[in-house]
Amino acid sequence: DAGVIQSPRHEVTEMGQEVTLRCKPISGHNSLFWYRQTMMRGLELLIYFNNNVPIDDSGMPEDRFSAKMPNASFSTLKIQPSEPRDSAVYFCASSLNDGMNTEAFFGQGTRLTVV
Amino acid sequence: QQQVKQSPQSLIVQKGGISIINCAYENTAFDYFPWYQQFPGKGPALLIAIRPDVSEKKEGRFTISFNKSAKQFSLHIMDSQPGDSATYFCAASMGHDMRFGAGTRLTVKP
Repeated sequence: DAGVIQSPRHEVTEMGQEVTLRCKPISGHNSLFWYRQTMMRGLELLIYFNNNVPIDDSGMPEDRFSAKMPNASFSTLKIQPSEPRDSAVYFCASSLNDGMNTEAFFGQGTRLTVV
Repeated sequence: QQQVKQSPQSLIVQKGGISIINCAYENTAFDYFPWYQQFPGKGPALLIAIRPDVSEKKEGRFTISFNKSAKQFSLHIMDSQPGDSATYFCAASMGHDMRFGAGTRLTVKP
């Protein structure tokens, strides 16, 4: 398996533009997470999906952020409109939720710069 | 609210030395404590993890020590190597809710 695949690796956009980040989880995993990493706040959980259903979106900063998981092999994180303070590295991670805490496998991240 | 506090922020160790990173947590409901290793430009990768029913877990040169009563746990890297230079994150989780420490940038000098 190629692991968790994220695209794009880097994104530079102007303030006010819509940004869509993409994630393909590991095949067979039923849990998917979106994290944001910044120097100031470290790694923060944005949203958690289980079996394609959003279970916990309490970490989503505001209404400008939205996430979808239309099927087990694809998820998107959208920011509309983007702002400079959204600049960060966004990670997608997946795991197999079998009732116990198990390893979350992270993608390589998308480095977002909003100018 | 920072639920997992990690120290030090940065650490420089000579090759062959012992690297020690400490973490403390607040929520006693946490029941899984992993350590992640992150190299520049990469995502975090699980290094070693422990559950609160044991006080120590060792995998090769990496050992987690866990003190449930003190709500603290630490990572020890024995015989540190330049290839261990990375950022290390402790975490604590219950179910899907995983809280990360702020990270420790480890540099192992040859």
